[in-house]
Amino acid sequence: DAGITQSPRHKVTETGTPVTLRCHQTENHRYMYWYRQDPGHGLRLIHYSYGVKDTDKGEVSDGYSVSRSKTEDFLLTLESATSSQTSVYFCATQSGTSGYTFGSGTRLTVV
Amino acid sequence: ILNVEQSPQSLHVQEGDSTNFTCSFPSSNFYALHWYRWETAKSPEALFVMTLNGDEKKKGRISATLNTKEGYSYLYIKGSQPEDSATYLCAFLDSGGSNYKLTFGKGTLLTVNP
Repeated sequence: DAGITQSPRHKVTETGTPVTLRCHQTENHRYMYWYRQDPGHGLRLIHYSYGVKDTDKGEVSDGYSVSRSKTEDFLLTLESATSSQTSVYFCATQSGTSGYTFGSGTRLTVV
Repeated sequence: ILNVEQSPQSLHVQEGDSTNFTCSFPSSNFYALHWYRWETAKSPEALFVMTLNGDEKKKGRISATLNTKEGYSYLYIKGSQPEDSATYLCAFLDSGGSNYKLTFGKGTLLTVNP
């Protein structure tokens, strides 16, 4: 969807390094979410935001932090990447009665 | 953690077959049930958002029904086509769930053979 972009699309990083993934939306949505997708687990919520500077944890938040300093950007940071954080990460916004809109995903590999 | 189950896990059908899958979710504290279609190498796209018991939604050859009292929803595809091949996700939102946090099932992978 043109209204939500994730960067980078692919990243390979080393264990122990910090990594930041960016989600950018142009639709002025209040709610934004970070999910990870792993085989056998489906989509699991990491963190979400319900407004600027308002964030909360999801079900798999350990090892991750987020920030939302402006409406359009929601950043996901892995403070010290581990191999268990190798995954595909999806950002989503909540768009009224139409359901979530997802970004294209970021494939992260931690070696 | 809310339990959202989808069955079957995967399904192979022939072109032209009609098929259906199930999503089960907690029958208490219901707020909404979403269905998404997720093609390989793309991101999930919303199909339906269902909020009322007895709801039926339709989009082309795809339809869905909702039973909130017993906690299940069915997704139907009539006359499957190869382009229907995708993973179909359901997601549950409970009434205590402010901030619209969805809990997703693991999906049903549909493969339609030409």
